[in-house]
Amino acid sequence: GNSVTQMEGPVTLSEEAFLTINCTYTATGYPSLFWYVQYPGEGLQLLLKATKADDKGSNKGFEATYRKETTSFHLEKGSVQVSDSAVYFCALLVIQGAQKLVFGQGTRLTINP
Amino acid sequence: DAGVIQSPRHEVTEMGQEVTLRCKPISGHNSLFWYRQTMMRGLELLIYFNNNVPIDDSGMPEDRFSAKMPNASFSTLKIQPSEPRDSAVYFCASSPPRRLAGGGTDTQYFGPGTRLTVL
Repeated sequence: GNSVTQMEGPVTLSEEAFLTINCTYTATGYPSLFWYVQYPGEGLQLLLKATKADDKGSNKGFEATYRKETTSFHLEKGSVQVSDSAVYFCALLVIQGAQKLVFGQGTRLTINP
Repeated sequence: DAGVIQSPRHEVTEMGQEVTLRCKPISGHNSLFWYRQTMMRGLELLIYFNNNVPIDDSGMPEDRFSAKMPNASFSTLKIQPSEPRDSAVYFCASSPPRRLAGGGTDTQYFGPGTRLTVL
């Protein structure tokens, strides 16, 4: 089956620290991979995505590279800001048949000034 | 452009009452999804529609839950009768038609959610 496993939170960092949130997946077929972000009181927003192996998604200083050999899609940012505090969800979509996103459990990130 | 619109944003009701959640997808999108988010179970897909037709409702927890999409611009999720364990945030999301070449990436756009509390 298809599943996503994320680094357990919560994660607390100081401003300007380096961020990594690990994500690994299991999938049948060839999934697209996503990171969504949920700010307090809001719905999920797409942060970045990658559709095939070795693709790098990037947005707002965040990056993630689709690694087929390690079935991973780790999220990184070189220097976090207080405004990055949110819950981050890794997700996969297998583009065959049903159009279903499978989400990880989410990682809560808190950035202290 | 307006994003996905959900109403109400908050709903507090008593056990046994009927609850109806509403969603207006982004204009031009042809897929619509209902999710439930709880601390214990995370994000769960309940049902999704394509071109107003339910495609997969395997995530609907039980017969108390029903969803409809009478037209391309409106969907409802109904719980009857509601129970305290239904308390959660319910999200609606929509996505545009899949690109014809290369499969596309099917980005889903989420609404702000409805926070349901069943007492």
